[in-house]
Amino acid sequence: EDKVVQSPLSLVVHEGDTVTLNCSYEVTNFRSLLWYKQEKKAPTFLFMLTSSGIEKKSGRLSSILDKKELFSILNITATQTGDSAVYLCAVEAETSGSRLTFGEGTQLTVNP
Amino acid sequence: EPEVTQTPSHQVTQMGQEVILRCVPISNHLYFYWYRQILGQKVEFLVSFYNNEISEKSEIFDDQFSVERPDGSNFTLKIRSTKLEDSAMYFCASRRTERTTQYFGPGTRLLVL
Repeated sequence: EDKVVQSPLSLVVHEGDTVTLNCSYEVTNFRSLLWYKQEKKAPTFLFMLTSSGIEKKSGRLSSILDKKELFSILNITATQTGDSAVYLCAVEAETSGSRLTFGEGTQLTVNP
Repeated sequence: EPEVTQTPSHQVTQMGQEVILRCVPISNHLYFYWYRQILGQKVEFLVSFYNNEISEKSEIFDDQFSVERPDGSNFTLKIRSTKLEDSAMYFCASRRTERTTQYFGPGTRLLVL
C-alpha cells in the first residue's frame, strides 16, 4: 500500500522566516510526487516532481525530490501571512487510474 | 484560466437519502477523479474514470457509490443511500493526460444528518 508521511504536522513561524516542509513516501512503481496548497477548500497545485535532484522553483517556493532516499522537501523563503495554509504532499504510481495518495499535510501558520 | 467547477458547494441530507454531486472538469481533460476529505483527515481517493469507464476504485467506493459522465461536460458522483460517515468534503479532479497534473475543484461539503 502506498504511504506518504509529512512532517512536521504543524508549524508556526513569523513573517520573513524560512520554512522547510518534509515529505517521505513509499510507493510501488513511482511516477511523480506533487505538492499542493490547501487554504480553505480545494488543493491548489504547486509542483510536480518526477526526477531526482532537479529543483523546481516558483517565486519564494521551491521543491526538490530525492528518489533514492524517498523524500521531498518544500522550502518557502521570506514567508508571508498569505502563506498560511495546509501544504499537502501526494504521490502517484505508474498504475491504471493513477490515483494520488496524500499525506496528512503540514499546517503552516505565519504570524505577522 | 480554466477551472474545475463543482455544484452544489454545500449539501445537507438525511441519512438514507440519495445525493448526486456534480462536477464540470476542465474542457480538454480526459481523466476524472473523485476524492473525499473527512474533517480533520487526509484527502482520500475514491475513484478514477477514463474513456467512459472506471479505471480504479478504492475500498471506500462500495456499491452505494456510482459515477457517470452523462454528457460531454458533466461528471457526477452518486451516493445511493447516505450514511452519517459519508459526511465529508468531496473533491472532483481532472487532468488532460496521465502525465499531467490533477487539478481540483472547490469541493462539495456534504453533511448527512
